[in-house]
Amino acid sequence: GAVVSQHPSWVICKSGTSVKIECRSLDFQATTMFWYRQFPKQSLMLMATSNEGSKATYEQGVEKDKFLINHASLTLSTLTVTSAHPEDSSFYICSAITAVDALNEQFFGPGTRLTVL
Amino acid sequence: DQQVKQNSPSLSVQEGRISILNCDYTNSMFDYFLWYKKYPAEGPTFLISISSIKDKNEDGRFTVFLNKSAKHLSLHIVPSQPGDSAVYFCAAWGYNFNKFYFGSGTKLNVKP
Repeated sequence: GAVVSQHPSWVICKSGTSVKIECRSLDFQATTMFWYRQFPKQSLMLMATSNEGSKATYEQGVEKDKFLINHASLTLSTLTVTSAHPEDSSFYICSAITAVDALNEQFFGPGTRLTVL
Repeated sequence: DQQVKQNSPSLSVQEGRISILNCDYTNSMFDYFLWYKKYPAEGPTFLISISSIKDKNEDGRFTVFLNKSAKHLSLHIVPSQPGDSAVYFCAAWGYNFNKFYFGSGTKLNVKP
């Protein structure tokens, strides 16, 4: 199947710093990318939907000024956690789909473990 | 508002037996339902899906059943294998929503 990569796979940072996470579709063009957050023993929580060349659509309760999403090309979306705090520590997962009518063609990245000290 | 629920956080099954994972949803407007399998520290991988206009879809050892009147779906794995041990998420998609809703996951342990 198609491959989605995330970088870095894990990151530890100090409180107040910003962290950028990259999500790349390696062998296909992704019209839409999703960013999820997973807390321990909890569901995947959708944070935002990112379409190439347009502004991301954020879910209710997700601060768009804190979680900056850029989808500059059909193969790359970035999530920047600005002024990170310990409560932002979590497992962040991106996914990519090629088209709305290819729902099972949602390919997930391996995730990024963020720890804010 | 949790629109997709998996009420069993864990399930333990003997190898060779059937595993049944359950999922309930609240919104009748969902068009597709999907099951994903997830290993620790990895992203979920697609397993099987079903359209809302069907009541059963089978793929090898995996079968998904949909009961729309009860707003319930289930994933059957038979025979279960130790390699099936993972967390299973059900998800729902609606064209009106243009996004996926995930359940909280069920951790399946298949004992040899």
